[in-house]
Amino acid sequence: SQTIHQWPATLVQPVGSPLSLECTVEGTSNPNLYWYRQAAGRGLQLLFYSIGIDQISSEVPQNLSASRPQDRQFILSSKKLLLSDSGFYLCAWRAAFNEQFFGPGTRLTVL
Amino acid sequence: GDSVTQMEGPVTLSEEAFLTINCTYTATGYPSLFWYVQYPGEGLQLLLKATKADDKGSNKGFEATYRKETTSFHLEKGSVQVSDSAVYFCALSEGYQGMRFGAGTRLTVKP
Repeated sequence: SQTIHQWPATLVQPVGSPLSLECTVEGTSNPNLYWYRQAAGRGLQLLFYSIGIDQISSEVPQNLSASRPQDRQFILSSKKLLLSDSGFYLCAWRAAFNEQFFGPGTRLTVL
Repeated sequence: GDSVTQMEGPVTLSEEAFLTINCTYTATGYPSLFWYVQYPGEGLQLLLKATKADDKGSNKGFEATYRKETTSFHLEKGSVQVSDSAVYFCALSEGYQGMRFGAGTRLTVKP
């Protein structure tokens, strides 16, 4: 069966510091992968999606970037964090009928 | 673009009460529709789905019917339990570009 991992689970970073969040999927090959952000008390915003290695699409201009160096690895990065980058970051992969399955998430607090 | 509008919360019910959470959507094509549930501090779990008009998704006593004529996908449960307390998200997907989510509805069930 497929599983999706994210780490770290929680992160507290100062403003202006870099960021790297990692997501890996097991049990499937060539998955479509997604990064979402959930701000406190709000819905999910799609940030990036990827249909293959080194193929990244950005939904909204951000202080963030994404990379997919391997088939089942998806990385979310920033060179300099802003306060507004705080939130709950969720990685997901897409299955056969367009449903998506989510990882456990990373809670990022920027101080 | 595609969008989802769902009932504002929070919703507070007594145990064994009937639940309805309204969801309507706007889409250019023929999306698949989903309900996800999020428990505190966790990622999203797929609750149910429907892939075409008049399909009824169901799981754990929850149901929702894909109504193309009213562009709706309302979530219902006949008798809620305390353990159903969570945030519920309505979502749609038309393919690999990613999901569009409603803002979420927080449900609290009191004993």
